[in-house]
Amino acid sequence: DGGITQSPKYLFRKEGQNVTLSCEQNLNHDAMYWYRQDPGQGLRLIYYSQIVNDFQKGDIAEGYSVSREKKESFPLTVTSAQKNPTAFYLCASSIRGIAGGGNEQFFGPGTRLTVL
Amino acid sequence: SQQGEEDPQALSIQEGENATMNCSYKTSINNLQWYRQNSGRGLVHLILIRSNEREKHSGRLRVTLDTSKKSSSLLITASRAADTASYFCATYGGYAGNMLTFGGGTRLMVKP
Repeated sequence: DGGITQSPKYLFRKEGQNVTLSCEQNLNHDAMYWYRQDPGQGLRLIYYSQIVNDFQKGDIAEGYSVSREKKESFPLTVTSAQKNPTAFYLCASSIRGIAGGGNEQFFGPGTRLTVL
Repeated sequence: SQQGEEDPQALSIQEGENATMNCSYKTSINNLQWYRQNSGRGLVHLILIRSNEREKHSGRLRVTLDTSKKSSSLLITASRAADTASYFCATYGGYAGNMLTFGGGTRLMVKP
């Protein structure tokens, strides 16, 4: 099955710890994105990558880091510098990058991160 | 701040009725997209309408775009309980440049 997967579904973190959220896609999409969603809110862009070994900051990148070593994978690390990390994190991909015309994005099922 | 803002924030209707959600945005756009999110799940793309289009249909969905008023509407006809979800508009281009910018969503409840 083609799609985009995220793991884990639920993640608990102690204050001061770094945690890494996984995102994998087998859609052969060039672009991948990370969004944060707070309760009752829309999505805010954290980071995006239009091609392997390249990524750009979104609106709320502070306290987060990413890597894009493989086309299929775009992991997100929530660092201890992120002061309010409890949220729902969504990964998405699209055929072409943002500069390619704003085509539709395909989303993973999300990871709910809770800081204890 | 958000480019697109949905109205109403919440909508409750009976099965079989039509549901209309509106989205307003601030600056010119390249396209506008509607997404659906079931509770605690990822988003699913519903429809994309380009700035030079005025109306698109997909099954029971009808989307209109009025660039002069900087607004769009999503109409779901003959709603079903399974349509219960949050619906988001997202704009590409304009205010946020080459980003897809999401509104806060409309939470739709369809009562059986």
